[in-house]
Amino acid sequence: EAGVAQSPRYKIIEKRQSVAFWCNPISGHATLYWYQQILGQGPKLLIQFQNNGVVDDSQLPKDRFSAERLKGVDSTLKIQPAKLEDSAVYLCASSHREGTEAFFGQGTRLTVV
Amino acid sequence: GENVEQHPSTLSVQEGDSAVIKCTYSDSASNYFPWYKQELGKRPQLIIDIRSNVGEKKDQRIAVTLNKTAKHFSLHITETQPEDSAVYFCAAEGTDKLIFGTGTRLQVFP
Repeated sequence: EAGVAQSPRYKIIEKRQSVAFWCNPISGHATLYWYQQILGQGPKLLIQFQNNGVVDDSQLPKDRFSAERLKGVDSTLKIQPAKLEDSAVYLCASSHREGTEAFFGQGTRLTVV
Repeated sequence: GENVEQHPSTLSVQEGDSAVIKCTYSDSASNYFPWYKQELGKRPQLIIDIRSNVGEKKDQRIAVTLNKTAKHFSLHITETQPEDSAVYFCAAEGTDKLIFGTGTRLQVFP
């Protein structure tokens, strides 16, 4: 089966600019996750969707980050405006349902200069 | 909020020795505990998982144990090989969240 697709793979932007990341989960997977992984640290959950509904976004900095999952399939994560500390790899993952294996995409490496 | 603590942060072993990584979790509702391996520059990939109704699970050289009372779970790798060198993450899924630990960098020396 096709894996989780993410784009772009790399992005370099200046601080205060905006950026968007796209994720296409594995077909049929109801649960979609966005994680932020800063170099040398574990993935930090930003937002978790069940179909097109948000089940947890407690760690999402809502003053600058937003995410949506239209029609319960693809998802986009946006940062506006970006800060230097947003430099990280943004990982998207999906699972058939909660409590089952989460499959990760390749990630988007964001550098804010 | 819920969190998962992981120790040690780095672990160096000789090839053939065993490696043990330990995690604790705070959410008593957690019922699914996966372990992921992440090689440099690559995505995390599941290596083994365990559910709260099971105390131990083994898959060849890898085993995971769970103590729900103490909220502890551990990864055991026996007969380590150089290709086991990577960063390992534990995770716990409870109340609508899949939370990861901080990671353990395992180095296996030939």
